[in-house]
Amino acid sequence: DAGITQSPRHKVTETGTPVTLRCHQTENHRYMYWYRQDPGHGLRLIHYSYGVKDTDKGEVSDGYSVSRSKTEDFLLTLESATSSQTSVYFCAISEGPRNYGYTFGSGTRLTVV
Amino acid sequence: AQTVTQSQPEMSVQEAETVTLSCTYDTSESDYYLFWYKQPPSRQMILVIRQEAYKQQNATENRFSVNFQKAAKSFSLKISDSQLGDAAMYFCAYRTGNQFYFGTGTSLTVIP
Repeated sequence: DAGITQSPRHKVTETGTPVTLRCHQTENHRYMYWYRQDPGHGLRLIHYSYGVKDTDKGEVSDGYSVSRSKTEDFLLTLESATSSQTSVYFCAISEGPRNYGYTFGSGTRLTVV
Repeated sequence: AQTVTQSQPEMSVQEAETVTLSCTYDTSESDYYLFWYKQPPSRQMILVIRQEAYKQQNATENRFSVNFQKAAKSFSLKISDSQLGDAAMYFCAYRTGNQFYFGTGTSLTVIP
């Protein structure tokens, strides 16, 4: 196992409710990322973190917030879920900007009804 | 802005044959990396192969190889001796600094 887990794996929620997705790593990697995957769009970056309490926005950050209080955990929160946020969410980790690639979590399928 | 284009939404190949998936990218950077990821129905993203832009030699990993044309900003993936387990969505990705940019994917079907 790559040392990165996402929870939950599946979630159905109602429009307007807050939702938090969790990414946990045991690799002690500095960089963590949240992506969403939608048909025809590939993977798009929501937010990323380059250290504890250091985060930045990606290209589709509206409606999402993140927090990273510990190296191993990176939380993605949908403050008030909308149907347009129905998607598959992936967390990824990386050692740093010179590292070769990401290691991905197994994804969370979120359905907003 | 960096963009990655995969112009083939779907491809199919006969088992044991060879298939090439296309990818082009747009960048003004000189230092970057290119990747191909495989996503089977299990949804897990699996790194297939990577290429450093400063290397002229094309990367190879067993049955997978790339044709990297830096001047043309092209990075195609060749799968030789295709197997049923190669059926998946394939994503091309470009990395500069600490961010990746992904293409929209190519769905590969392997016909027995």
